[in-house]
Amino acid sequence: EAQVTQNPRYLITVTGKKLTVTCSQNMNHEYMSWYRQDPGLGLRQIYYSMNVEVTDKGDVPEGYKVSRKEKRNFPLILESPSPNQTSLYFCASSSPQGAGGYTFGSGTRLTVV
Amino acid sequence: AQTVTQSQPEMSVQEAETVTLSCTYDTSENNYYLFWYKQPPSRQMILVIRQEAYKQQNATENRFSVNFQKAAKSFSLKISDSQLGDTAMYFCAFMKRNTGNQFYFGTGTSLTVIP
Repeated sequence: EAQVTQNPRYLITVTGKKLTVTCSQNMNHEYMSWYRQDPGLGLRQIYYSMNVEVTDKGDVPEGYKVSRKEKRNFPLILESPSPNQTSLYFCASSSPQGAGGYTFGSGTRLTVV
Repeated sequence: AQTVTQSQPEMSVQEAETVTLSCTYDTSENNYYLFWYKQPPSRQMILVIRQEAYKQQNATENRFSVNFQKAAKSFSLKISDSQLGDTAMYFCAFMKRNTGNQFYFGTGTSLTVIP
């Protein structure tokens, strides 16, 4: 089954404790992206990647890092999480043509206390 | 910068009736796609329907159809014969092609189908 797998689904952490949210896709997609969803703001792009070793900032990159060492994986790293990063996070992937839109992971609910 | 506006934060509709969700967008691009995504309480993002900007014909998927007005930059979603399972948050999205396929989302419309 074609899918984007995100882990964990839920995460509660403390301010300043580094964490990684994993994302993996099995569709051989070149494009991958991370979004955060906040009430009243919709989904906003954090980082995106057009291929292995190619990443770029989205609209809200501050406080986040990503890497794309393999085509299938695109982890999101919070080096020093803060409470304002409490949010629902989605990983997504697509082909370069983009006609099918993004396939989204099931989301990670992150709470930073 | 691209912006997507959904002016209806909440809507409700009686079961079996028809409802239309509105969406407008602002762009200077010519090469783009438009999408409607559904997010039920399970929070999974589910693609409902998509429209290619260069196609004039409105997209249709079973009970879901769009009214795409390119000049007016409008992209509304019509749900016919509403069902209880249609209760969800609906997001309109604009995708700019060939630059990381960046998506721009509206703030969402929460739709409740009333039995």
